[in-house]
Amino acid sequence: GAVVSQHPSRVICKSGTSVKIECRSLDFQATTMFWYRQFPKKSLMLMATSNEGSKATYEQGVEKDKFLINHASLTLSTLTVTSAHPEDSSFYICSAGRPESTYNEQFFGPGTRLTVL
Amino acid sequence: QKEVEQNSGPLSVPEGAIASLNCTYSDRVSQSFFWYRQYSGKSPELIMSIYSNGDKEDGRFTAQLNKASQYVSLLIRDSQPSDSATYLCAVPEAGSYQLTFGKGTKLSVIP
Repeated sequence: GAVVSQHPSRVICKSGTSVKIECRSLDFQATTMFWYRQFPKKSLMLMATSNEGSKATYEQGVEKDKFLINHASLTLSTLTVTSAHPEDSSFYICSAGRPESTYNEQFFGPGTRLTVL
Repeated sequence: QKEVEQNSGPLSVPEGAIASLNCTYSDRVSQSFFWYRQYSGKSPELIMSIYSNGDKEDGRFTAQLNKASQYVSLLIRDSQPSDSATYLCAVPEAGSYQLTFGKGTKLSVIP
């Protein structure tokens, strides 16, 4: 159990376009999901916490108008990178907390590699 | 602010040896602790969770927790080249799924 999927796994887009990344919990309902970004050889950086039915909470320095997060159901959260630029190229990873878990583990999706040309 | 500290490595061990990864944390009230494995270019994968003082074994992996000393370790027995990865120690915020991660220890198992 505790499988999280992401789609797409890889995307290449032109500068100025918007890209939507989906994160799904496949075998559990997730009230809370997280979005991370990771640059090569760097640590995970938490971007935002996504709660079902409410606005996302963004970490300091993350532009909420650029990185739109929607957690419309208990199994789906989406991250939209608006007007993407080359500096947004990164590895985007979502994770989810499973309510049945007593000790609040997070389970990670496989990640989405975004390349902005 | 909660801190989680790990040696960044790299830690190199020969194949078949025991790899020992250590982590210390600052928040005395932390109740649970996780080890994630991250291969290069991949996302983290939860490999061990530990909540009680002492040892917890799962196959070749043993997690050790000492709450009095505020450290948690991960031992990998009979290390294999496929164990080469970055190992992340993580501690959840109280009452939350949000995790504080250490910077990770890069392990290389030499054939």
